[in-house]
Amino acid sequence: DTEVTQTPKHLVMGMTNKKSLKCEQHMGHRAMYWYKQKAKKPPELMFVYSYEKLSINESVPSRFSPECPNSSLLNLHLHALQPEDSALYLCASSQGSPQGAPSPLHFGNGTRLTVT
Amino acid sequence: GQQLNQSPQSMFIQEGEDVSMNCTSSSIFNTWLWYKQDPGEGPVLLIALYKAGELTSNGRLTAQFGITRKDSFLNISASIPSDVGIYFCAGQSSSGNTGKLIFGQGTTLQVKP
Repeated sequence: DTEVTQTPKHLVMGMTNKKSLKCEQHMGHRAMYWYKQKAKKPPELMFVYSYEKLSINESVPSRFSPECPNSSLLNLHLHALQPEDSALYLCASSQGSPQGAPSPLHFGNGTRLTVT
Repeated sequence: GQQLNQSPQSMFIQEGEDVSMNCTSSSIFNTWLWYKQDPGEGPVLLIALYKAGELTSNGRLTAQFGITRKDSFLNISASIPSDVGIYFCAGQSSSGNTGKLIFGQGTTLQVKP
């Protein structure tokens, strides 16, 4: 079982809906990430949070809004999405050492999002 | 921007055969990671490499961090049906506490029993 938990596992939403994806980790990691993955493609980075502060936004459209309420939780708020936003959304975490020591990312199993 | 070239794109092998896949980059990386992804799941970390020249094993898996820091390979020995999946290499170049992870395009492995 993955130590990064994502809910819901599947989500179907209309283009006018507002929904949120949730991610939780209890490994004491201080860096958390959102990735988007299309079928048969590698994950693409969307956002990085370091010590609960947004440190990287990969020019993601504003209809995706991340939130990091505390060091264990990461949310992705969705509003007015397009059908082409349908994908697997992956959350990941890493230790995020302030000394800069490298640490691998650990991924959740993702939320399969379908926009109709 | 940085790109990773992963090859081969796909492999179809007989159970018991050894497998080799590799990634190359035009840029230097400080960390090389290898992940496996099964359908409907997230990528699972297989091996992490932190030093140039490092050779690390995890069961039947062996991976190496190239001396030039621009390449890495993953070998799987005596393949079994559960090795089926997509294998991704990933490189990390930042020395900060969060670095961007660049993924290769993936190698799809199919194993015939």
